[in-house]
Amino acid sequence: LAKTTQPISMDSYEGQEVNITCSHNNIATNDYITWYQQFPSQGPRFIIQGYKTKVTNEVASLFIPADRKSSTLSLPRVSLSDTAVYYCLVGEGSGGYNKLIFGAGTRLAVHP
Amino acid sequence: EADIYQTPRYLVIGTGKKITLECSQTMGHDKMYWYQQDPGMELHLIHYSYGVNSTEKGDLSSESTVSRIRTEHFPLTLESARPSHTSQYLCASSEIKDQETQYFGPGTRLLVL
Repeated sequence: LAKTTQPISMDSYEGQEVNITCSHNNIATNDYITWYQQFPSQGPRFIIQGYKTKVTNEVASLFIPADRKSSTLSLPRVSLSDTAVYYCLVGEGSGGYNKLIFGAGTRLAVHP
Repeated sequence: EADIYQTPRYLVIGTGKKITLECSQTMGHDKMYWYQQDPGMELHLIHYSYGVNSTEKGDLSSESTVSRIRTEHFPLTLESARPSHTSQYLCASSEIKDQETQYFGPGTRLLVL
């Protein structure tokens, strides 16, 4: 199973762009990279998923270099409501045997 | 918006009691999961299921059991609750072909006295 490494915490201010990088050196060929957001006392919520290069949706962008050994979640112009824990997961997207592992995540604090 | 429900949301119970945490989803997902999470800590997978009559143990050893008699329903049972079971329990579901995209319920926060 691919293991991921993320910073434990990050601080930012409203209106800034935040980039959270995740390392996954043992990523397999069929693995996808997925990011979740979790607010206190709630279950995680899917943010974005990608396989290579760049993916963008209404919430965030995901940058994946050619070697896929890392990925960067980019949150444009954060607000106080973006304060949450962000998890990077790596796992196989096919129907095969798969157990995703949620690591400790990155605790993002956005300040006024 | 995801349609996955958990009841109760909060539960305070005495040691030795039997409890069942309910989880239901209306998305027709085959795969369902139970995670355990202590405040500020990682999520740990304790059980999962590929579909009806399928149950598997996750990465974290747990004294709980699960059943999957219907696709939409995945209850978790503790036969004899102990203070060490105090935690938040999160249920999730996904399509088998897209297991990275999991939809989580609101969680059950359990306190065993």
